[in-house]
Amino acid sequence: GDSVTQMEGPVTLSEEAFLTINCTYTATGYPSLFWYVQYPGEGLQLLLKATKADDKGSNKGFEATYRKETTSFHLEKGSVQVSDSAVYFCALSDQDTGRRALTFGSGTRLQVQP
Amino acid sequence: GAVVSQHPSRVICKSGTSVKIECRSLDFQATTMFWYRQFPKQSLMLMATSNEGSKATYEQGVEKDKFLINHASLTLSTLTVTSAHPEDSSFYICSAELGQDNSPLHFGNGTRLTVT
Repeated sequence: GDSVTQMEGPVTLSEEAFLTINCTYTATGYPSLFWYVQYPGEGLQLLLKATKADDKGSNKGFEATYRKETTSFHLEKGSVQVSDSAVYFCALSDQDTGRRALTFGSGTRLQVQP
Repeated sequence: GAVVSQHPSRVICKSGTSVKIECRSLDFQATTMFWYRQFPKQSLMLMATSNEGSKATYEQGVEKDKFLINHASLTLSTLTVTSAHPEDSSFYICSAELGQDNSPLHFGNGTRLTVT
């Protein structure tokens, strides 16, 4: 079945540092890929998405490129802020299998220190 | 933008009682809603897919008689945890889609259930 693997956290960075959170996936079809962010005590918010190979999703300084050859969708940001501290989830939607629900990775907690 | 409202945000109940969690789409009609469960420091696990006007589809290992799902209208789905036990304590999150291909799911803020 489909699966998503994320790097384990927590990831602790200083403000203005470069961020990479790795995400790889396994899918039977051609999935859409997403990054969601969960701030403390809140639900999930869509951060960015990509629906086909080589697409780049971007939002709020974050970006991720859909790499079919490496089955990856790594999240990057050039300069993190304290307000970016949250849990980040990589997810996929494989509608080719008729399953519209998202399959999530385990989440990566990011802690940004001033 | 689209908003999904989930209520209550926190609930504490005694073992053996039932708890109902509501999920509402506030400014759009959601033909399909999804219920997830999130254990501490773990990912979201899909429990069931709720379709308006029909029976929910449960994931393998999820007891449909324990987790009752009702999707009576295009804007409301409810999850009732029946005869709750301490092991049911968890964070429950609902989500709804707009019904378009590849449309991102919109999530509620979740419900923290504690069973004592």
